Amino acid sequence: DAGVIQSPRHEVTEMGQEVTLRCKPISGHDYLFWYRQTMMRGLELLIYFNNNVPIDDSGMPEDRFSAKMPNASFSTLKIQPSEPRDSAVYFCASSSSGLTDTQYFGPGTRLTVL
Amino acid sequence: AQKITQTQPGMFVQEKEAVTLDCTYDTSDPSYGLFWYKQPSSGEMIFLIYQGSYDQQNATEGRYSLNFQKARKSANLVISASQLGDSAMYFCAMREGRSGYALNFGKGTSLLVTP
Repeated sequence: DAGVIQSPRHEVTEMGQEVTLRCKPISGHDYLFWYRQTMMRGLELLIYFNNNVPIDDSGMPEDRFSAKMPNASFSTLKIQPSEPRDSAVYFCASSSSGLTDTQYFGPGTRLTVL
Repeated sequence: AQKITQTQPGMFVQEKEAVTLDCTYDTSDPSYGLFWYKQPSSGEMIFLIYQGSYDQQNATEGRYSLNFQKARKSANLVISASQLGDSAMYFCAMREGRSGYALNFGKGTSLLVTP
């Protein structure tokens, strides 16, 4: 079975540009999560969806960040405009319903904003 | 307040030896799950083992076991017979029943296995 798929794997952009990160969750999973990993802050949740509906976006840093899930097999995380402090690894993860269900992570997108 | 605490920033262990990575957690929710993930230098997050708050027995998965001490709120990962490929960052995480399904992660422990 295919795991969580993320694209691109690496993104280098200049400050002020729009960045779009993409995620395809594992088929059948109804929860999708976006996390960000930095040296300073570690792994932190940005937003998560249940059945394509955003449930908790309290971790989204500011209005420059937005996320969508138009259908069960696709989600995007957009940063507009990007800033150097957005440089991080962005992970997408998915899981089935239930407290005990494991979240499976994609390979991550390493974003560098110059 | 930090919900997951991993007090060991770095650990060394010799190949074939066992090693324990510490994790303590803080929650008042009676229903929660504890997870350990491995992050090798390549960057991916690999799920290792899960322990539920109501589980009576410690979880085991191959060479991985979880030493769950509920009263002390600790969930230490034990890796038996360490291998060179176990060198990686290890993260403890918690998912609480009443606060949604997101994972709260600790800062991680860097494990280096030496020959």
